[in-house]
Amino acid sequence: AQKITQTQPGMFVQEKEAVTLDCTYDTSDPSYGLFWYKQPSSGEMIFLIYQGSYDQQNATEGRYSLNFQKARKSANLVISASQLGDSAMYFCAMREGGSGGGADGLTFGKGTHLIIQP
Amino acid sequence: NAGVTQTPKFRILKIGQSMTLQCTQDMNHNYMYWYRQDPGMGLKLIYYSVGAGITDKGEVPNGYNVSRSTTEDFPLRLELAAPSQTSVYFCASSHQGAGVYNEQFFGPGTRLTVL
Repeated sequence: AQKITQTQPGMFVQEKEAVTLDCTYDTSDPSYGLFWYKQPSSGEMIFLIYQGSYDQQNATEGRYSLNFQKARKSANLVISASQLGDSAMYFCAMREGGSGGGADGLTFGKGTHLIIQP
Repeated sequence: NAGVTQTPKFRILKIGQSMTLQCTQDMNHNYMYWYRQDPGMGLKLIYYSVGAGITDKGEVPNGYNVSRSTTEDFPLRLELAAPSQTSVYFCASSHQGAGVYNEQFFGPGTRLTVL
């Protein structure tokens, strides 16, 4: 079973609109972290936002916020007031605490290709 | 700080050739990782290391080897390259001690084609 599921292969959004990118995850570990990365066409991986499983509040970083619904195992990324420069691939990823205490790598979803239209 | 650097940026290999992808970080991070990204897919973990002399397999280790003789360097070795290893390879690092919150810093990637 996939641990990270991103159900939107691609999205078109008008500039200045808000956009929500979906992410659901699967884990039985009570300790885990959820990450969102942006990958523009140039290829680099850019860290956007993090949510820990024990965090009481939803994470926010500038125009990015994370809608964390623990019972539903979802961690959707919300981008407010989208800009042309937001056009990119977006990846949701998870690290489980497990026996490695967080040293293990990230498990990534397949990504969502977001295109912002003027 | 240069962060995480990778060389080369691009490489074309013939089937059966070998090569080493270099990765260096200057942030004194204990943890280092190698991922591959196939077209249209997310990243998959190949190998990781929690410190010099310690490495472990990730999700897709077959066909690769790693070593970690220093904190800074984490080379990835491909022996007997196959077309299935055509991919973009990312190296990443993170610092120790923050549990599941270990933001990983990624290198720019190496695009490898095996023909």
